[in-house]
Amino acid sequence: ETGVTQTPRHLVMGMTNKKSLKCEQHLGHNAMYWYKQSAKKPLELMFVYSLEERVENNSVPSRFSPECPNSSHLFLHLHTLQPEDSALYLCASSQQPGNTIYFGEGSWLTVV
Amino acid sequence: DQQVKQNSPSLSVQEGRISILNCDYTNSMFDYFLWYKKYPAEGPTFLISISSIKDKNEDGRFTVFLNKSAKHLSLHIVPSQPGDSAVYFCAASAEIRAQKLVFGQGTRLTINP
Repeated sequence: ETGVTQTPRHLVMGMTNKKSLKCEQHLGHNAMYWYKQSAKKPLELMFVYSLEERVENNSVPSRFSPECPNSSHLFLHLHTLQPEDSALYLCASSQQPGNTIYFGEGSWLTVV
Repeated sequence: DQQVKQNSPSLSVQEGRISILNCDYTNSMFDYFLWYKKYPAEGPTFLISISSIKDKNEDGRFTVFLNKSAKHLSLHIVPSQPGDSAVYFCAASAEIRAQKLVFGQGTRLTINP
């Protein structure tokens, strides 16, 4: 059982849809992250939040909008995505930024 | 520009033998290195780490070696077991940008019975 849970595990959405990915961590950590894993590419950091404040935005298009209402929850709001945005989106957390990070199981996103 | 590279996309090893997974990096500012293991349909799980003040860290069957002059690290698994079959990612971070882990592309390890 992972300390970082993500929902939904699978999502299929059209290019005009608006959807959200949700992440919850039960580890008492202060930092949360969104990563993207595309086929045959390294894991890419998208966003970092430390104590609910965004500390890193890794040149991510504005069609991805993160939200961190508290240190245990992280959302990724999706709107007007493109088919090339289809990927595995991984949420992670760590005690502090820079500490070892622990991943959730990921949300498989398919944009049609 | 890929700062962390795992040049072998796949590796097959016989059960009981040693598995050696390699990783090279280019950024001399990296000072903390980690290995993650990923099964299909699951998120990566942390395996072992090493800081640049050490050249070796061991945890059970897993040992990570760091050669700073060569900018190279390796993960040794001995003896290899069928449950070790997974994709292994190395990752690195620099003190200045401590929140940003940079990952390699991964190596798929298959342990053959």
